[in-house]
Amino acid sequence: DGGITQSPKYLFRKEGQNVTLSCEQNLNHDAMYWYRQDPGQGLRLIYYSQIVNDFQKGDIAEGYSVSREKKESFPLTVTSAQKNPTAFYLCATKSSGGTDTQYFGPGTRLTVL
Amino acid sequence: QQPVQSPQAVILREGEDAVINCSSSKALYSVHWYRQKHGEAPVFLMILLKGGEQKGHEKISASFNEKKQQSSLYLTASQLSYSGTYFCGSNSGNTPLVFGKGTRLSVIA
Repeated sequence: DGGITQSPKYLFRKEGQNVTLSCEQNLNHDAMYWYRQDPGQGLRLIYYSQIVNDFQKGDIAEGYSVSREKKESFPLTVTSAQKNPTAFYLCATKSSGGTDTQYFGPGTRLTVL
Repeated sequence: QQPVQSPQAVILREGEDAVINCSSSKALYSVHWYRQKHGEAPVFLMILLKGGEQKGHEKISASFNEKKQQSSLYLTASQLSYSGTYFCGSNSGNTPLVFGKGTRLSVIA
């Protein structure tokens, strides 16, 4: 079954704890992205990676970290330095060829208590 | 630079038409349109490339005016299933998409 998997769908953490959100894909896409969505704010880019072992900061990278050790996986860590971590987090992928279309995973809703 | 979408929200009765606009202050390479239902992931609708126009769905089409750096999404004979938030995303070359804040569309019976 091809696609993008994000787990878990809902995540609760206490303030001050680091948490890692999973994003896995079997589409063989080279590029992967993390977006954050808050009500009324649209989708804001946190980090992206166009190839394995390389990634770049997006518009709101502060308080987040990523790794890209495998083509299939792009985990996002929300650190305690992120001031307002409660949000809906979306992972997306894109093939290096073709029409440049980004496809989104189902998302993880993180709530920090 | 984040694209600007208008209107922010619109309410339609079934069968009515709507237009959602997306404009950018930067030169555009492509414009992508997505629809998102509440609590779900955005779903790709269509892409418009510089120098061309692509129709992705039967009653949903879009245009791309490169000179004005604008794109418009046209929804005709709206159905209840069209309800959701519509986002446009744009980029300039091989850069990540930057998305607008979205237009919330509600279709009522």
